[in-house]
Amino acid sequence: DAGVIQSPRHEVTEMGQEVTLRCKPISGHDYLFWYRQTMMRGLELLIYFNNNVPIDDSGMPEDRFSAKMPNASFSTLKIQPSEPRDSAVYFCASSPRGIEITDTQYFGPGTRLTVL
Amino acid sequence: SQQGEEDPQALSIQEGENATMNCSYKTSINNLQWYRQNSGRGLVHLILIRSNEREKHSGRLRVTLDTSKKSSSLLITASRAADTASYFCATSRYNQGGKLIFGQGTELSVKP
Repeated sequence: DAGVIQSPRHEVTEMGQEVTLRCKPISGHDYLFWYRQTMMRGLELLIYFNNNVPIDDSGMPEDRFSAKMPNASFSTLKIQPSEPRDSAVYFCASSPRGIEITDTQYFGPGTRLTVL
Repeated sequence: SQQGEEDPQALSIQEGENATMNCSYKTSINNLQWYRQNSGRGLVHLILIRSNEREKHSGRLRVTLDTSKKSSSLLITASRAADTASYFCATSRYNQGGKLIFGQGTELSVKP
């Protein structure tokens, strides 16, 4: 298995532009998570999905952020308009619930976003 | 504040020494997991310990769990320069539906 795939790996954009981050989870995993990591705030959970349905979006910082999961193999995180304070590494992770409930998560390599 | 607080925040040791990192949490858990993050990479799952277990081993890793104190420790024996990374504990709770709560991490530096 290729693991969790994220694209792009790096994104540099200007303030006010729309940014779309993409994630392909591991096939067969029920859960998909979006995290943001910065030096100041550490690793923050933004939103997660179960079977393509958003379960908890309480971590989404504001209305400029939105996430979708149109099918089991694809999710997007969109920021519109972007601001310099959105600069961070964004991780996608997926998790198989399975019979033994471990909630172990498998992380993608991350997208490093820089908003100028 | 986040459930799952690691200490120390940073640890620097020589190759061959043992490294111990601690994690405290606030509420009842289903299991506790440790993850490693190399610089510029995603987190990688290392080991999981369930709430009814007290100790678990995996290679050079030893994890303990004390549910009465709501704390866990991760011991890396005979450390190597390649162990240099950040280490995070994460807790799973019964009513959280798949969600993990991550701590702030311990930054480990192993000097050759």
